[in-house]
Amino acid sequence: QVQLQQSGPGLVKPSQTLSLTCAISGDSVSSNSAAWNWIRQSPSRGLEWLGRTYYRSKWYNEYAKFVKGRMTITPDTSKNRFSLQLNSVTPEDTAVYYCARTSGYFDFWGQGILVTVSS
Amino acid sequence: QSVLTQPPSASGTPGQRVTISCSGSRSNIGSNTVNWYRQLPGTAPKLLIYDNNQRPSGVPDRFSGSKAGTSASLAISGLQSDDEADYYCAAWDDSSWVFGGGTKLTVL
Repeated sequence: QVQLQQSGPGLVKPSQTLSLTCAISGDSVSSNSAAWNWIRQSPSRGLEWLGRTYYRSKWYNEYAKFVKGRMTITPDTSKNRFSLQLNSVTPEDTAVYYCARTSGYFDFWGQGILVTVSS
Repeated sequence: QSVLTQPPSASGTPGQRVTISCSGSRSNIGSNTVNWYRQLPGTAPKLLIYDNNQRPSGVPDRFSGSKAGTSASLAISGLQSDDEADYYCAAWDDSSWVFGGGTKLTVL
């Protein structure tokens, strides 16, 4: 059974960087058949896919257009996890952030972390 | 505004059949399979239906999905009180995943 365990701060100041990590058990971040995603959810914007990383002989990172340039997803094969960095955050980035695996669909999710952007 | 359109609410009485619609476009539902998720308050969404009409292990056959053109539907038969939850549709769209705005199901 795949499990995803998220960690990271729940409060970030405006203009700073939001950083979260998703630790994987029961699968590998280097899997050739899965992708590792970040999604967020807020009352005003609902569920939003942010981006993903996956390995198919080499690493690929793909991002939603609305966060491109501000977001980086980094796989860590030594610790079997992947991370999210979102730069220059504003209060609009306040949301519950989830990591999730896709193998054609989102089949396993992390527990979610509420990240509030506030001074 | 979510890319996929769902009714914000739906309701039914115990034992009834309820359907939730999900409307998209040619680039998402029209070209790719649809997945459905159920979310209880304070928890992550959970996969309910994948590839339009497939149920993961453990999901009762009271739940069924269908797709036609650029729309999809989730049907719940034999409605039970613990079916009260938020339901979301999702599909791949060109270069990103997109979701519906969610439907809050109330069991009266």
